[in-house]
This record gives sequence, structure tokens and C-alpha cells, in this order.
Amino acid sequence: GEDVEQSLFLSVREGDSSVINCTYTDSSSTYLYWYKQEPGAGLQLLTYIFSNMDMKQDQRLTVLLNKKDKHLSLRIADTQTGDSAIYFCAEPWGNTPLVFGKGTRLSVIA
Amino acid sequence: DSGVTQTPKHLITATGQRVTLRCSPRSGDLSVYWYQQSLDQGLQFLIQYYNGEERAKGNILERFSAQQFPDLHSELNLSSLELGDSALYFCASSVTGSPGIHNEQFFGPGTRLTVL
Repeated sequence: GEDVEQSLFLSVREGDSSVINCTYTDSSSTYLYWYKQEPGAGLQLLTYIFSNMDMKQDQRLTVLLNKKDKHLSLRIADTQTGDSAIYFCAEPWGNTPLVFGKGTRLSVIA
Repeated sequence: DSGVTQTPKHLITATGQRVTLRCSPRSGDLSVYWYQQSLDQGLQFLIQYYNGEERAKGNILERFSAQQFPDLHSELNLSSLELGDSALYFCASSVTGSPGIHNEQFFGPGTRLTVL
């Protein structure tokens, strides 16, 4: 069955890099997604990567995809207190539009 | 602001009752999705509609039903409510919603349901 795994917590100091990891299930997923959820808010798409890419960079965000190991990571450079949120990895699976991981709660210490 | 609106923001009700959650998608979006977010189950896909027709079904209980109206707004009906139905219910919308292509889903702020 579908299963997207993420570690639940990550704590970093302001200015450091954060790396959030995810393993996914469906090797045929064409796109993989990272969503961000701030306290009391809905989810916001941060970035996504097409499955034929190994890496995608978007300003402070870098996504790395290892298809062989079904591993996806999100690196946030120069992490700021405003980056404190829950980060979800997601993939389409079968007819399900998106299957989400449990989310990684990122805490940024000033 | 994603452009997706959900009402009400909060709902408190008793076990056995029935409630209706409402969602208005972004202008131009034809697809609407419903998700349930709870502490133990995480974020789970419930159901998707595209232009009024059901397109995909996830872990939606038989006590729950949804529909999408001609003006593209959607309603999620939850009946015979149980304590375990307490959760955040999100609606999302996208332009198309076809599988295999990139469909950015825009999420509403959610409805927090508390069943006492």
C-alpha cells in the first residue's frame, strides 16, 4: 500500500541549513511534492520535482530526488524563524491525487 | 490567501449529529478535493470531484458524503458523528485534477470540527 515516511521533528539554529527527508512508495510517481503548513493555516505548495530530475533549486530551497532509493529531501538554506512550520512530502498514488507523509515539524531556534 | 474559502471555520457538535462543510474553489478551478487531518491519522485524502462528477475516492467513511454543485462549490456532509471524527477538514482545488500531470492543489484554511 501507499506509505510516505518522514521523521517527525527537526530543530535547527537560525542561519543554519535544514534538511528534511522523505521516503516514498510509488516508483511510478511522475511528480513529488513538498507542502508547508504554518500554525492555524492550510497547506501551501512549496515546490515540486518531476521524476526525471535529480535536483531542483528554487532560491533557498533545494530538492534532491534519489529514485533508486525512493528518497526525497528538501534543503532550506539560511533557515529563518519564519520557516518554522510543518513540512509534508506528498506523492500521487494510483487514483489518489496525493498521499501525504505525517509531516516534519521544523523548529528554528533564534 | 489561496483563493479557496471554507465555511464554517469552527464547528462544535454532539455525537450522532450531522453537519455540512462548505468549500468554494478558486475562480477557474474545476476540481475540488477533501482531506481530513487528525493527530493519529495525519492528512488523509477523502474524495475528489471534477466539474460536478466524482473522480477519485479515498478513505471516506460511508457516513460521509460529498457533492459538487453546478457553480463548482462543494459540500462535505458528515453524519452520525463520532468522537473520532473530530479533526481539521481541508478543501483544496486545482485547475484540472487529471492523474499523471502536475496539478497544483490550493488549500483552504480548513474547518475545525469538534465532536463532544
